[in-house]
Amino acid sequence: ETGVTQTPRHLVMGMTNKKSLKCEQHLGHNAMYWYKQSAKKPLELMFVYSLEERVENNSVPSRFSPECPNSSHLFLHLHTLQPEDSALYLCASSRRTRETEAFFGQGTRLTVV
Amino acid sequence: GESVGLHLPTLSVQEGDNSIINCAYSNSASDYFIWYKQESGKGPQFIIDIRSNMDKRQGQRVTVLLNKTVKHLSLQIAATQPGDSAVYFCAEAAQGNLIFGKGTKLSVKP
Repeated sequence: ETGVTQTPRHLVMGMTNKKSLKCEQHLGHNAMYWYKQSAKKPLELMFVYSLEERVENNSVPSRFSPECPNSSHLFLHLHTLQPEDSALYLCASSRRTRETEAFFGQGTRLTVV
Repeated sequence: GESVGLHLPTLSVQEGDNSIINCAYSNSASDYFIWYKQESGKGPQFIIDIRSNMDKRQGQRVTVLLNKTVKHLSLQIAATQPGDSAVYFCAEAAQGNLIFGKGTKLSVKP
């Protein structure tokens, strides 16, 4: 609906697993973002990509590794996560960085067991 | 996209009434203030923004008011409808990035 598609919608993984979240947008946007939405905190910005280059990493642990192979796709690679990493991970895009209007995907509900 | 588990402030209004959702912000240097809406099972959706040098902006059925003296932002929804039921987040744009608040849950009673 928003033009930003995330897969999978739900993911359960063990602490020793490696998995990846995928985000895709065909809106012609140049900026893409990963946000974390957890039960006890407001939306937290994790990573910002502009024209496929990472422009911001908000002190995110190295067990989260983003990848932006082109301006339409964004991945979040996960490894050796902790139970406290369980949250809704939202991808968003905007025409460029510093835009107030971001288009969000529906999110991936991640549960780490 | 639901904010399950968050102990959110809740506003309950009757269908057809006006709603006012409030937000306090902290950064006086923010360039823009924005309202987003998040319906159950979906990601946040942009509603309206206001530049920091303005004090009021109107959209379709929504009005945002900015009071920089007390660092207060509000969203007014006219003739609230069941489809307006959602969690509403205010956000600040500081140095280009969106910083979101905790959200308010709006419930519309038919």
